[in-house]
Amino acid sequence: SQQGEEDPQALSIQEGENATMNCSYKTSINNLQWYRQNSGRGLVHLILIRSNEREKHSGRLRVTLDTSKKSSSLLITASRAADTASYFCATDSPSGGSYIPTFGRGTSLIVHP
Amino acid sequence: ETGVTQTPRHLVMGMTNKKSLKCEQHLGHNAMYWYKQSAKKPLELMFVYNFKEQTENNSVPSRFSPECPNSSHLFLHLHTLQPEDSALYLCASSQAGAENTGELFFGEGSRLTVL
Repeated sequence: SQQGEEDPQALSIQEGENATMNCSYKTSINNLQWYRQNSGRGLVHLILIRSNEREKHSGRLRVTLDTSKKSSSLLITASRAADTASYFCATDSPSGGSYIPTFGRGTSLIVHP
Repeated sequence: ETGVTQTPRHLVMGMTNKKSLKCEQHLGHNAMYWYKQSAKKPLELMFVYNFKEQTENNSVPSRFSPECPNSSHLFLHLHTLQPEDSALYLCASSQAGAENTGELFFGEGSRLTVL
């Protein structure tokens, strides 16, 4: 099964700035998801974008998907200190009629107040 | 509160001990997962259960033994572990099926330390 690879591995910004994280993958996908993880906690689903969609918004989050480049980006606008966390993209792998999300190493985001 | 509860949250065990991690989901989902998260590594899928049947076993050593007695409960039995097995073990659930997106709901994890 494939996994997405996030870039950069670490990102440090000031509160109010925008944060952009990228995800690249190798084979065709059904959908791509972004998750967030606070230190030592479980992952929380943020947003899903299907392979036939190019852009999706949810509050301060904007996700794009370019299937020709096999890449996605997550933009967090007007960042806050509370956005400090690790962010993961998950690409799906077909298994037994379902799709199992497969994760990369994540991007560690630090937002300085 | 994600609807997925893991216990214990922290566990320290010796290499000769036998312990179990427990996961319970209250979401009515039909699929449950165990993931292992080690520092600086991608989240590793260990086991998947669909409708209580194991459908994935990603070459996990036999010292990890999963059990899924029903669609709401999932266990990970641990015995004769190694220090490199120290990690955060995450349980997740989803509503599996061709029409579903595969969105996972995670528990808070069990932090395991093997001495």
